Amino acid sequence: EIVMTQSPATLSVSLGERATLSCRASQSVSSALAWYQQKPGQAPRLLIYGASTRATAIPARFSGSGSGTEFTLTISSLQSEDFAVYYCQQYSDWPRTFGQGTKVEIK
Amino acid sequence: EVQLVESGGDLVQPGGSLRLSCAASGFIFGNYNMNWVRQAPGKGLEWLSYISGSTSSSAIYYADSVKGRFTISRDNAKNRLYLQMDSLRVEDTAVYYCVSASICSDGSCQTHWGQGALVTVSS
Repeated sequence: EIVMTQSPATLSVSLGERATLSCRASQSVSSALAWYQQKPGQAPRLLIYGASTRATAIPARFSGSGSGTEFTLTISSLQSEDFAVYYCQQYSDWPRTFGQGTKVEIK
Repeated sequence: EVQLVESGGDLVQPGGSLRLSCAASGFIFGNYNMNWVRQAPGKGLEWLSYISGSTSSSAIYYADSVKGRFTISRDNAKNRLYLQMDSLRVEDTAVYYCVSASICSDGSCQTHWGQGALVTVSS
């Protein structure tokens, strides 16, 4: 199975600052990579698919990049509603696998 | 509006069985692949199972952690997705989400998640 590793586990960021989250796959997933945001008590929400395409109604401050085994989610200017846990998921192969998550907290 | 509503979550003893149901509305259910994903308390997301849209030639996949114990199925006439869970273990305790494949409109896509159903396995 493809193992997804996210770093860092926790990211402390001030409002208005840039946040950069990383996701690494144990083998190439091409561009079959999605990013999800989850707030406490809520279901996850798809942010990015195809490694770099924003999902419906996702603000432009969220961007994704990478291919193969290295991926990045960037939040250009953190808003209060962006403090949450972020997960990457590969959908290149079965079983689908998620990373362990990165918690973005207020600095 | 796309809606997914899970039901069937409950407290069950180890070794017991439970069937989760997911009622879909707001889209042509039979045209879309569906998944189950779970989240143990305080933990991350775990993909469990997938079923393709067509029931005449369904492709089905499972995570190793549930293979042989859980069975995914769907009834396109009733717009429902199911997860039959047998031989339940304490470590199956989690919130179970019904998740659609990407639904696209005007060139933009989104997946849809239910609110989750809590399954607690405990004696």
